[in-house]
Amino acid sequence: EADIYQTPRYLVIGTGKKITLECSQTMGHDKMYWYQQDPGMELHLIHYSYGVNSTEKGDLSSESTVSRIRTEHFPLTLESARPSHTSQYLCASSEWGYRGYEQYFGPGTRLTVT
Amino acid sequence: QKEVEQDPGPLSVPEGAIVSLNCTYSNSAFQYFMWYRQYSRKGPELLMYTYSSGNKEDGRFTAQVDKSSKYISLFIRDSQPSDSATYLCAMTGNSGGSNYKLTFGKGTLLTVNP
Repeated sequence: EADIYQTPRYLVIGTGKKITLECSQTMGHDKMYWYQQDPGMELHLIHYSYGVNSTEKGDLSSESTVSRIRTEHFPLTLESARPSHTSQYLCASSEWGYRGYEQYFGPGTRLTVT
Repeated sequence: QKEVEQDPGPLSVPEGAIVSLNCTYSNSAFQYFMWYRQYSRKGPELLMYTYSSGNKEDGRFTAQVDKSSKYISLFIRDSQPSDSATYLCAMTGNSGGSNYKLTFGKGTLLTVNP
């Protein structure tokens, strides 16, 4: 079982609230990712990080922001939640180098914005 | 046209059946081909990967890649109820440090009935 953790697992929150989704991994992986997954749709990469103090936006535009101050921690923040942010958010990590395709996923956070 | 097409199913088979799951793709640059398995309320986990064309076998699972047809398959022999999950194909192009950017299919929901 992958050692990557996400909290909370489920979150229901009102419009306009600020939220932070937590993601931690204990595998020492340099690369970390945030994906968005909607029912019946593909996983889409919204943020990734090569390492500490390195973050980039993914292919899917997102109003969220991320930070990477420690190798093991990659939180995602929404400053003002909206119903359009309702989705499942998956965090993942991988080693550096050619095995970047082998990504270890957390269990996900299911976010509902009312 | 989406880069990766995958029939979302759902697919329902009796225990012991041979299951065939497929994806087609349009990007000739894809070199790494993966199958991820996602159980309900869990994150995806890497099941198999193949580099370039060919077959790969792991127990009851066989992955096939036909780059000339831009077609990949996953076969499950002697399917078990524990195989019930969503199967996601994923692909990426570059080797080295850039092969982390995975393009996913929508996933096929498989149910194996006892």
